[in-house]
Amino acid sequence: QLQLQESGPRLLKPSETLSLTCTVSRGSVTSSNYYWGWIRQPPGKGLEWIGSLYYNGSTNYNPSLKSRLTMSVDTSRNQFSLKLTSVTAADTAVYYCARHSNYYDSAGFVNTSPDFWGQGTLVTVSS
Amino acid sequence: SYELTQPPSVSVSPGQTARITCSGDALPKKYAYWYQQKSGQAPVLVIYEDNRRPSGIPERFSGSSSGTLATLTISGARVDDEADYYCYSTDNSANPRGVFGGGTKLTVL
Repeated sequence: QLQLQESGPRLLKPSETLSLTCTVSRGSVTSSNYYWGWIRQPPGKGLEWIGSLYYNGSTNYNPSLKSRLTMSVDTSRNQFSLKLTSVTAADTAVYYCARHSNYYDSAGFVNTSPDFWGQGTLVTVSS
Repeated sequence: SYELTQPPSVSVSPGQTARITCSGDALPKKYAYWYQQKSGQAPVLVIYEDNRRPSGIPERFSGSSSGTLATLTISGARVDDEADYYCYSTDNSANPRGVFGGGTKLTVL
């Protein structure tokens, strides 16, 4: 069965850059059937979709994070990554990586949705 | 920005039917998805594309969508179904972004 494992620093100071990597096992980031992405959840709060990407590098970001966000894929390592700059305490959350399924809507645009999640990693921003 | 609205909480007795709703203006044209999240765990997909159930999800979980309202129904709810449930869909932009509802705490007691 597919396995997704998040890794990266767990404690950051304000203004630093959050960098996380998701390693894909028993599956391939180059699968034409799936996108890959990130979701976060502040402690005690709900889920927030961060963004998704395709193995060819095409990305789709949450508009509220877009100015600080970069997502990328490393096909040679079967990994995909997230970078979020200028973090504040509001970025403290459990970050999940997830495989995304997709479909084309009536207008011909691709829509993605998480269908399999990693276990998540808590990233804390504190001075 | 696009929003999906869920009730904060739903409570039922064991064996009863629990219904959790999700309202969004784009739902007539977009699929709804439902996730179950138990305390301390990652979310699990329980319904996709409005009413389809992934392999391994019990038949008591079902979904429907009509107009701007999607509904997750748990028939014969069990104590083990107690969890937070989130709906998810995408907006109507040319590059559709994902959106989660605020989540519904289901209590079965």
